[in-house]
Amino acid sequence: DQQVKQNSPSLSVQEGRISILNCDYTNSMFDYFLWYKKYPAEGPTFLISISSIKDKNEDGRFTVFLNKSAKHLSLHIVPSQPGDSAVYFCAASSMDSNYQLIWGAGTKLIIKP
Amino acid sequence: NAGVMQNPRHLVRRRGQEARLRCSPMKGHSHVYWYRQLPEEGLKFMVYLQKENIIDESGMPKERFSAEFPKEGPSILRIQQVVRGDSAAYFCASSSGQLGELFFGEGSRLTVL
Repeated sequence: DQQVKQNSPSLSVQEGRISILNCDYTNSMFDYFLWYKKYPAEGPTFLISISSIKDKNEDGRFTVFLNKSAKHLSLHIVPSQPGDSAVYFCAASSMDSNYQLIWGAGTKLIIKP
Repeated sequence: NAGVMQNPRHLVRRRGQEARLRCSPMKGHSHVYWYRQLPEEGLKFMVYLQKENIIDESGMPKERFSAEFPKEGPSILRIQQVVRGDSAAYFCASSSGQLGELFFGEGSRLTVL
């Protein structure tokens, strides 16, 4: 039972355009969401997070949107740069699971020059 | 290097041998998590430890796998009698508390021949 789903295994975007990565979840108890970025042969690195009391969090070129009623969050990257090419993981957690992170399968983002 | 350190980076074992993977958390972090990434899949939680205690091992296979985080020294993930299906990247992460950002090591890649 996948509680966190990233339905697009890969996404290709032109450099300079907006990249939108999507994530759906099923557990309404999730109250904290994170995005991690992973390059090949490296560990994931934290990118941005959002608490369920917010619907938007912005950090430079990265913005995360949370739609609690739809149980959906998205990561927007604008403008997309070649260095953004990586696998992006969505993760969710809740207080009643001791904030253990539940991970999506990842979306591979390819930025085309 | 103040980051999460994992070793070995690459480990090759024959079926039936034992694999030991080590993880030294970031300085000041007392929470350690082990994840496994199978080819073409996302990160799967295995075990969450604090010093000398296993907090959550719900993601660990019931047999052959064990983990520890002693008072002194690194956390160890031990796989006995390895099989080909154990071939994967094993990532360790640490945090200073339950909520929020995990810092990942670069992973240990186990290949079982």
